[in-house]
Amino acid sequence: DADVTQTPRNRITKTGKRIMLECSQTKGHDRMYWYRQDPGLGLRLIYYSFDVKDINKGEISDGYSVSRQAQAKFSLSLESAIPNQTALYFCATSDGDPTTDTQYFGPGTRLTVL
Amino acid sequence: LAKTTQPISMDSYEGQEVNITCSHNNIATNDYITWYQQFPSQGPRFIIQGYKTKVTNEVASLFIPADRKSSTLSLPRVSLSDTAVYYCLVGDMLGTDKLIFGTGTRLQVFP
Repeated sequence: DADVTQTPRNRITKTGKRIMLECSQTKGHDRMYWYRQDPGLGLRLIYYSFDVKDINKGEISDGYSVSRQAQAKFSLSLESAIPNQTALYFCATSDGDPTTDTQYFGPGTRLTVL
Repeated sequence: LAKTTQPISMDSYEGQEVNITCSHNNIATNDYITWYQQFPSQGPRFIIQGYKTKVTNEVASLFIPADRKSSTLSLPRVSLSDTAVYYCLVGDMLGTDKLIFGTGTRLQVFP
């Protein structure tokens, strides 16, 4: 979905390096999310933010941090990358509609930690 | 926590109707049921959402019985391009249950 963009799309890094994945959206949504997906598995929630001043841990937040710079931007950082953080990372947004709150996903960032 | 259970995989042939059932025995009063589709190396895409009875859109139908403890995603006349993973999520807008994707159902459509 072009309304949600992620950079970079692919990244190879080494163990111990600090990495930042960026997410931008033009949908005007307050809610943003970061997920990771390992091969053959579903998505697991890392962090989520319901508005600019709100940051919450998901089920697998250890080793990650986030920054909500603006309504449109939500960055995910790996402070010291390790090989088991090799995965496909997705950013998503939603509008918080009380009856739908549908999530819209970005194209993903494939991260490899050597 | 409204946990969902889906079959791990299903096979079908082009032109057939496919029904994928999701169990959510402890669904709460305010919970909605949402289905997403995911192609390899792409982010999930919303398919359909419902609260009770039947919902239909241009892509699929969603059947929800009166007790709401399960739901069935129905894909009419599937094609090869429907080969994907389908996720059932349950939760309300205020909580985080609906952010739990699980492993989904891998649908393989054969010619």
